[in-house]
Amino acid sequence: TQLLEQSPQFLSIQEGENLTVYCNSSSVFSSLQWYRQEPGEGPVLLVTVVTGGEVKKLKRLTFQFGDARKDSSLHITAAQPGDTGLYLCAGYNNDMRFGAGTRLTVKP
Amino acid sequence: GAGVSQSPSNKVTEKGKDVELRCDPISGHTALYWYRQSLGQGLEFLIYFQGNSAPDKSGLPSDRFSAERTGGSVSTLTIQRTQQEDSAVYLCASSFTATVGGYTFGSGTRLTVV
Repeated sequence: TQLLEQSPQFLSIQEGENLTVYCNSSSVFSSLQWYRQEPGEGPVLLVTVVTGGEVKKLKRLTFQFGDARKDSSLHITAAQPGDTGLYLCAGYNNDMRFGAGTRLTVKP
Repeated sequence: GAGVSQSPSNKVTEKGKDVELRCDPISGHTALYWYRQSLGQGLEFLIYFQGNSAPDKSGLPSDRFSAERTGGSVSTLTIQRTQQEDSAVYLCASSFTATVGGYTFGSGTRLTVV
């Protein structure tokens, strides 16, 4: 059983569409991070959220940390083929635990 | 170096042989982590080093797995008597502190046990 559940597991959309992926847990985290991983590479950090209810924007990506610091969402506006990859969330409490990821494919 | 370096990038080994995987973290990063990623899966925590403290080995799947970190820098993950289920990508990451800050990952070592 994953400590962090990510949904959906797979998502395939057309360029220009919007999407939201989710990261849920029954545990409270002191911080939560989102990473993107491309084939043959390690994950690359996108954002760290620390405060419950916090919203961070990174260009077309919007990250939100739940009020109770148990869950998070990532919203992408007007997706581009370059957004294709595996999106991983990771929660930190003494060490970092990762979800299984959402594999996003954006078709041109 | 500028990033986390892992070697080899690919390793094919016969079942029963021992393998060593190497990780060079970013200079000055005190925390170092090993994760395992099976095909299409998320990251499975293996072991974590913080400075001179005793490592957190709670994620090592069996006593065939061990890791050391020499001089607070380079780390080696050793798998003895490899099994086919050990086939995976082994990722190393480092961070400046053990707390909130994000990790910088290497590109991983893809291990295939045949």
